[in-house]
Amino acid sequence: DGGITQSPKYLFRKEGQNVTLSCEQNLNHDAMYWYRQDPGQGLRLIYYSQIVNDFQKGDIAEGYSVSREKKESFPLTVTSAQKNPTAFYLCASSLQRGTYNEQFFGPGTRLTVL
Amino acid sequence: AQSVTQLDSQVPVFEEAPVELRCNYSSSVSVYLFWYVQYPNQGLQLLLKYLSGSTLVKGINGFEAEFNKSQTSFHLRKPSVHISDTAEYFCAVSTDYGGATNKLIFGTGTLLAVQP
Repeated sequence: DGGITQSPKYLFRKEGQNVTLSCEQNLNHDAMYWYRQDPGQGLRLIYYSQIVNDFQKGDIAEGYSVSREKKESFPLTVTSAQKNPTAFYLCASSLQRGTYNEQFFGPGTRLTVL
Repeated sequence: AQSVTQLDSQVPVFEEAPVELRCNYSSSVSVYLFWYVQYPNQGLQLLLKYLSGSTLVKGINGFEAEFNKSQTSFHLRKPSVHISDTAEYFCAVSTDYGGATNKLIFGTGTLLAVQP
C-alpha cells in the first residue's frame, strides 16, 4: 500500500540532545512537509521541500534542520536550540503539478523532552 | 496574509443530532479550502475540499461544506452525527502560488464531542 510512514511513534529526549524524526513516503510525491502541532494552536509549518536537495524554511524553522537527499525521505532533526520541542510532529507529502495538489499526512511522532 | 479562524474550540452534540463547525478565512486572492479530520494520536485525513465550481462540496463520512465568498466562510455540516465522528476537525486554506508549493494555513481546530 502506498503511504507515508513516520518513526518512531513516541520519542523521549533529554534536554540538550538532538533527535531525528524519520519520514518516508512511497507515493512518488515531489513535495514533502514537516508540521508541528501543539494543543489549541493547530498545525504550523516547520520546513518544506519541493525537490531533492532543496528545502525552504516554514513559519517556525528555528531550532530545526532537515535534509532531502532522496525523493522518498525527509528527516527532521530537532536540535538542542529548540527551546520547547515537546509536541506532536506530522509529516506530509504532495505532488507538485497544477495549481493545487492534496497533501497526505503520516501518522505522526510524539516527542517529549524529559 | 491569509488566516483561518475556527471560532469554536469544542462542540458538544448528542448522537444523531445535526452539527455545524464554523470556519472563516481571510485572503485577498482566490483560495482553496479544506477540512481535515484527526482522530486521537493519528495524522490528518482529508474530509473534503473546495477548489472551484459548485459551492456545496460533499466529502467522506456524510460531511459537506458550503463555500460562501461574500461571508468568507466554509462551514462544515453533517445532518446526523455518530459516536465515531468524535475527533478534531481542522479547516485550512491555500492559495495558488502560480505552481509553487501548496502551503496550507490551518485553523486552531474544533473538537467535536459526540455524546450518546
